[in-house]
Amino acid sequence: AQSVAQPEDQVNVAEGNPLTVKCTYSVSGNPYLFWYVQYPNRGLQFLLKYITGDNLVKGSYGFEAEFNKSQTSFHLKKPSALVSDSALYFCAVRDRGAGTALIFGKGTTLSVSS
Amino acid sequence: EPEVTQTPSHQVTQMGQEVILRCVPISNHLYFYWYRQILGQKVEFLVSFYNNEISEKSEIFDDQFSVERPDGSNFTLKIRSTKLEDSAMYFCASTGRVVASGRDEQFFGPGTRLTVL
Repeated sequence: AQSVAQPEDQVNVAEGNPLTVKCTYSVSGNPYLFWYVQYPNRGLQFLLKYITGDNLVKGSYGFEAEFNKSQTSFHLKKPSALVSDSALYFCAVRDRGAGTALIFGKGTTLSVSS
Repeated sequence: EPEVTQTPSHQVTQMGQEVILRCVPISNHLYFYWYRQILGQKVEFLVSFYNNEISEKSEIFDDQFSVERPDGSNFTLKIRSTKLEDSAMYFCASTGRVVASGRDEQFFGPGTRLTVL
């Protein structure tokens, strides 16, 4: 069965510092991997995805994520955090050939302090 | 920028009542989805819909649930007889390709918070 784990409920970083939001996944085949962000009273917004190719994926707002097949991880990173990055972040996976539904992690709240 | 919209933002209902949650997907999109998130838990897939029929559904999507695209713009989720455990945030999503690929990102609405008393 497909599953996603986000081991941290909350990540706290100071503005200007690098941030990492962790995600590990479990699928029977090869995955498509996604990151979404949710701001208060807004829908989930797409940040980036890994489909194939380069393991380092760049996305919106300066975020990037690294696909690591051996560790089955897809951690979200940003070199320098902004206060405006504070939000709820969701990792999601889809097993290739297993339909189009997304399987989400529980979400990680990122809090960036000034 | 086109957005998925959902109404109402918050719905309160009594146990056993029927509710209809409404979504307007992005206008040229063809695949539609409902997800839900019970407070403090994961976002869970309920159902996907294409070409006026259900294409996938999860175990959560039992006979109490139904979906419909009653006109060219709306996509609805009906819960026939609500239960306390149906209280959750319900998200609608859409994606645009003629043949949806697993590589396509989905565009989500802001959600409807359903509270069943």
